[in-house]
Amino acid sequence: EAEVAQSPRYKITEKSQAVAFWCDPISGHATLYWYRQILGQGPELLVQFQDESVVDDSQLPKDRFSAERLKGVDSTLKIQPAELGDSAMYLCASGWGPNSGNTIYFGEGSWLTVV
Amino acid sequence: DAKTTQPPSMDCAEGRAANLPCNHSTISGNEYVYWYRQIHSQGPQYIIHGLKNNETNEMASLIITEDRKSSTLILPHATLRDTAVYYCIVRVASNSGYALNFGKGTSLLVTP
Repeated sequence: EAEVAQSPRYKITEKSQAVAFWCDPISGHATLYWYRQILGQGPELLVQFQDESVVDDSQLPKDRFSAERLKGVDSTLKIQPAELGDSAMYLCASGWGPNSGNTIYFGEGSWLTVV
Repeated sequence: DAKTTQPPSMDCAEGRAANLPCNHSTISGNEYVYWYRQIHSQGPQYIIHGLKNNETNEMASLIITEDRKSSTLILPHATLRDTAVYYCIVRVASNSGYALNFGKGTSLLVTP
């Protein structure tokens, strides 16, 4: 069964350093999402891509977060500089398209600890 | 946005059916109901989704009321591995597509 691949699985970084997460969606999936999940809460959408275009980044803290999907396939989420409050799990998800009936599948997530 | 209401926690004995309720009284006609679950430290796992009709797959059954204002996820024979947080989500339109807006979910504990 095809899966959404994410790396690294775990990352510890010092405050003010840069950190990046990578996601490879299920082959053929045009829509890609990045979510952030703080311990004890549900995932929150950060950014949504349709192919290589950002279609919703209203919840992305743009002063320190950036996301790209240059060729419309894999994607990178970057944080610079990292702050203590960024400690969370970062989830990538993908789907065939943006329509309501298309199922979204999640990766295993990348755990970030900022010290 | 159509919001959902779920009980914060439920218990179920192993081998029995687990019935997880969800209220979504403001759902619109073209919005689907999705269920995901999340086992500790893992990404959310898709379970099932539906629009109007009841649905069944190898994992669970989804019962949607005729007025679509509520639904129930049924795990027919719960096992210890079904212990997880279960999210009921109404898939609403974002700026340009249909994202998933997660609430707090129901924490299901399956006991021996």
